[in-house]
Amino acid sequence: DAGVTQSPTHLIKTRGQHVTLRCSPISGHKSVSWYQQVLGQGPQFIFQYYEKEERGRGNFPDRFSARQFPNYSSELNVNALLLGDSALYLCASSHTGDGYNEQFFGPGTRLTVL
Amino acid sequence: GQNIDQPTEMTATEGAIVQINCTYQTSGFNGLFWYQQHAGEAPTFLSYNVLDGLEEKGRFSSFLSRSKGYSYLLLKELQMKDSASYLCAVLDSNYQLIWGAGTKLIIKP
Repeated sequence: DAGVTQSPTHLIKTRGQHVTLRCSPISGHKSVSWYQQVLGQGPQFIFQYYEKEERGRGNFPDRFSARQFPNYSSELNVNALLLGDSALYLCASSHTGDGYNEQFFGPGTRLTVL
Repeated sequence: GQNIDQPTEMTATEGAIVQINCTYQTSGFNGLFWYQQHAGEAPTFLSYNVLDGLEEKGRFSSFLSRSKGYSYLLLKELQMKDSASYLCAVLDSNYQLIWGAGTKLIIKP
């Protein structure tokens, strides 16, 4: 079975632009979570979606938004990019939305903002 | 606030044993996870503890003491491929994962 997939793998943007990152969960998984990981640090929780509804939101500004589609894939949108948004963006899927199950991570999208 | 502390870096010798500690202060507790992350790759699941005690899984074991807000990951018979960052994460009262900064483990021959 295919694992979690993310696209694109790498992205270079300039300040003020917007970006859309995409994630497809493992087949059968209904929960998708998004994380931001800055080099040398642990992942920071951004959003969780379960059954197409937002289950949780981390401490990120409103420039960050996300949604989950009927096929459980998900998009993360970031508007008005700042230099500090440069990071690895990880998507993780799991069977349930309660957090008890292990999360399976995709390879990530490395975003560079110039 | 919520806080998870891990050593930044540790060094160990191939074939030896290493213990990576994690202390946490979070709003609620619904379990603690350990993940392994090789450089440039995504984290992969190692263990989950929700009750006190030791969970053993092959060369890796994880221990939890909820009263002390403490966990450790024990790696035995170290191999070069174990060189990676080890991330401790706590599932808080909102069922969100709060992550530590990770411990970079360097294995020397």
